[in-house]
Amino acid sequence: GAVVSQHPSRVICKSGTSVKIECRSLDFQATTMFWYRQFPKKSLMLMATSNEGSKATYEQGVEKDKFLINHASLTLSTLTVTSAHPEDSSFYICSASRASGSLQETQYFGPGTRLLVL
Amino acid sequence: AQKVTQAQTEISVVEKEDVTLDCVYETRDTTYYLFWYKQPPSGELVFLIRRNSFDEQNEISGRYSWNFQKSTSSFNFTITASQVVDSAVYFCALSEAYNNDMRFGAGTRLTVKP
Repeated sequence: GAVVSQHPSRVICKSGTSVKIECRSLDFQATTMFWYRQFPKKSLMLMATSNEGSKATYEQGVEKDKFLINHASLTLSTLTVTSAHPEDSSFYICSASRASGSLQETQYFGPGTRLLVL
Repeated sequence: AQKVTQAQTEISVVEKEDVTLDCVYETRDTTYYLFWYKQPPSGELVFLIRRNSFDEQNEISGRYSWNFQKSTSSFNFTITASQVVDSAVYFCALSEAYNNDMRFGAGTRLTVKP
């Protein structure tokens, strides 16, 4: 089956620092990757959609300069939380799918990254 | 835009009871996909099922079964003879065919007590 990994699984950082989270599709080429955010006891909220080689499309209300997304290859997307603050503490989940622009393909989810900003 | 409603915030049952988790959705598309995911305390989403809008057959997988009814825009999930290990948050989600966005319901927290 399709496997998606995330690194790190957990990160604690000081306020004001930047944190990079990696999302990798291990056994397939992901033309599209998605980043979700989940607050405690809440649902997953889509932050942005990224297609390999192009700029990410952000959902309304998500700050592009705050959450930098790069999808440089068909197996790797990164989310960088810039100048992190305590309110950015959350569970970040990525997913990957094979298709882009055609009939929807299943999204395969990574295990998530817990970010705690002190 | 699509929308998924899971009206049950929390459900608590005793082991071996059957439990049904409700999911109601809204979409303007005629082609779409419905999903159920399980999220245990570890946080990792566990895929349970994907169903496309043209397949209304009910599905059974072990103790799990799903009832898809387009007439009521519902995709309910039943766990038969629940077990403590079934305790988790369950999410229903919808994705429209030509739009890769997946929208999740608010989730239902299921607690199965021994």
